[in-house]
Amino acid sequence: EVVLTQSPGILSLSPGERATLSCTASQSVRRNYLAWYQQKPGQAPRLLISGASSRATGIPDRFSGSGSGTDFTLTISRLEPEDFAVYYCQQYGTSLFTFGPGTKVDFK
Amino acid sequence: EVQLVESGGGLVKPGGSLRLSCAASGFTFSVYSMTWVRQAPGKGLEWISSATSSSNYIYYADSVKGRFTISRDNAKNSLYLQMDSLRAEDSAVYYCARCLVIPDAPLDSWGQGTLVTVSS
Repeated sequence: EVVLTQSPGILSLSPGERATLSCTASQSVRRNYLAWYQQKPGQAPRLLISGASSRATGIPDRFSGSGSGTDFTLTISRLEPEDFAVYYCQQYGTSLFTFGPGTKVDFK
Repeated sequence: EVQLVESGGGLVKPGGSLRLSCAASGFTFSVYSMTWVRQAPGKGLEWISSATSSSNYIYYADSVKGRFTISRDNAKNSLYLQMDSLRAEDSAVYYCARCLVIPDAPLDSWGQGTLVTVSS
């Protein structure tokens, strides 16, 4: 099983600031099949990034993903009020999907 | 528009059973693999089961293997999760989600979830 860890657990920032979220895998993620999801309270998760760096349809370009192998990063260049949420990474390179524990981006 | 609508959640006693359904519309259901993901109150996301488009391949997390059964009816555009021998730790919101293939594709559309509470 590919175990994913995310850091930090909570990121306290202000609108307009840059957010950098990290996801680390216990082994190399096959073909960098790593996705990022955003979840707001009471809502279902929404796909932001797939393949480590490809934005999903309709996702603003302030969201970007990078990384390969075991280390991945989600960057939000300038936080908008609607970006304060929980972010999860997920690997789909194996048939047994796994999620990271999440990073909460909240208001400073 | 892609729509996934879960139903069948509710309150059930420990040891009981429940069957969840996920009705799909707005896309060719029979082409897509489907997945169940759950989220306990205040906790993170947990993948629990997936089925390929023709149900040729089915996968379960260890936490539900032997107790839960995923199935689908492509003629009815529906996905199911039969949950038996339920435990308190199975209490969660259960989401269905689609992916084009398993593995190799992300979960690109999700339902709004259905709440399962296991309590005496």
